[in-house]
Amino acid sequence: AQSVTQLDSQVPVFEEAPVELRCNYSSSVSVYLFWYVQYPNQGLQLLLKYLSGSTLVKGINGFEAEFNKSQTSFHLRKPSVHISDTAEYFCAVSDYGGSQGNLIFGKGTKLSVKP
Amino acid sequence: DGGITQSPKYLFRKEGQNVTLSCEQNLNHDAMYWYRQDPGQGLRLIYYSQIVNDFQKGDIAEGYSVSREKKESFPLTVTSAQKNPTAFYLCASSIGEGLGYTFGSGTRLTVV
Repeated sequence: AQSVTQLDSQVPVFEEAPVELRCNYSSSVSVYLFWYVQYPNQGLQLLLKYLSGSTLVKGINGFEAEFNKSQTSFHLRKPSVHISDTAEYFCAVSDYGGSQGNLIFGKGTKLSVKP
Repeated sequence: DGGITQSPKYLFRKEGQNVTLSCEQNLNHDAMYWYRQDPGQGLRLIYYSQIVNDFQKGDIAEGYSVSREKKESFPLTVTSAQKNPTAFYLCASSIGEGLGYTFGSGTRLTVV
């Protein structure tokens, strides 16, 4: 069965500092990988996705993620964060070769950017 | 613009009442999903539907019911059998298996 582990439930960081939000997954088949962002009392918005091709994926708002198959990881990075990046971030995996193809979500990482 | 509309944004329910949360999409997506979100627990799948007139239970379906009579609509009913319904509910849709979801803005349900 698939699972997603977001290793940090909360990440505090100062404005303009770099940040990495970690995500590891387990799956016995090939996967698609996603990062979503959620602002308070709103739905989830897609930041970026990996379906195939280059393992370095660029998304919106200056975020990027790297797919590492050997380490089963898909960590999210941003070189310089802004106050407006304060939100909760969710990693998700889908086994496109599996029986359902539904997304499995991690429990989220709350990014708090301080001035 | 295409998207998913959830209504109402806030909903209050008395104990013992059934309430229905609306979810409508104009993206022409076949698959639709309902998730429940509680602090620190991520998203938990309640029900999903991959085609009209068909739906499957997710991980926490007890106390909930759904229908899928039209491609555009996937309403969720929270029944009186759901013992702890206070939560944030998210509806999503997808163009195909494993290709990612588009989410609505959510409904916050509170039992009073």
